[in-house]
Amino acid sequence: GAVVSQHPSRVICKSGTSVKIECRSLDFQATTMFWYRQFPKQSLMLMATSNEGSKATYEQGVEKDKFLINHASLTLSTLTVTSAHPEDSSFYICSASHLRGTGSYNEQFFGPGTRLTVL
Amino acid sequence: AQSVTQLDSQVPVFEEAPVELRCNYSSSVSVYLFWYVQYPNQGLQLLLKYLSGSTLVKGINGFEAEFNKSQTSFHLRKPSVHISDTAEYFCAVNYGGSQGNLIFGKGTKLSVKP
Repeated sequence: GAVVSQHPSRVICKSGTSVKIECRSLDFQATTMFWYRQFPKQSLMLMATSNEGSKATYEQGVEKDKFLINHASLTLSTLTVTSAHPEDSSFYICSASHLRGTGSYNEQFFGPGTRLTVL
Repeated sequence: AQSVTQLDSQVPVFEEAPVELRCNYSSSVSVYLFWYVQYPNQGLQLLLKYLSGSTLVKGINGFEAEFNKSQTSFHLRKPSVHISDTAEYFCAVNYGGSQGNLIFGKGTKLSVKP
């Protein structure tokens, strides 16, 4: 159980175009989804946290107009990189958690990641 | 500030040797602790976690970790490594954020040599 998928797994696009990445929880309802970014040989950096039906909360330094996050349902969140540039090339990983109630830890389950290359 | 420190960026080791990957975190009243493994071009796979209870936690693939509150550490160990254990290992900590926010260490690259 607790499987999270991402699509596409790999995308190459031209500079200036927009790219949408999907994150789906396949066998549970994800009340919260997280988007991370990972540069080569570096750790994961949290970009934003989104709760179903509400606006995402972005981490400091992350441009909300550039990285559009939509969490329209309990099983789907999307990250759209608008007007992508080569410096946006990175590995994007999502995770999802299910609200388990007060006092319980809401464990995150990670997707397999999406490799974005902007030419 | 809340932080997670993985002291070794790279750990080379021979096959069948024991290994310890170190992780320290900044002190807090309550924490939840995790170790993840990442193979090249893949997402994160949970190795083990400490939420409460016994401080010695056993995970998948023969790994275990011990939560040491006084030393604010959560070191990962395996008594005998295999070539297939070659990967990047990340320690992560939740400092009690209600939504489960994780702070990751910078990772340790484990290289197992024949």
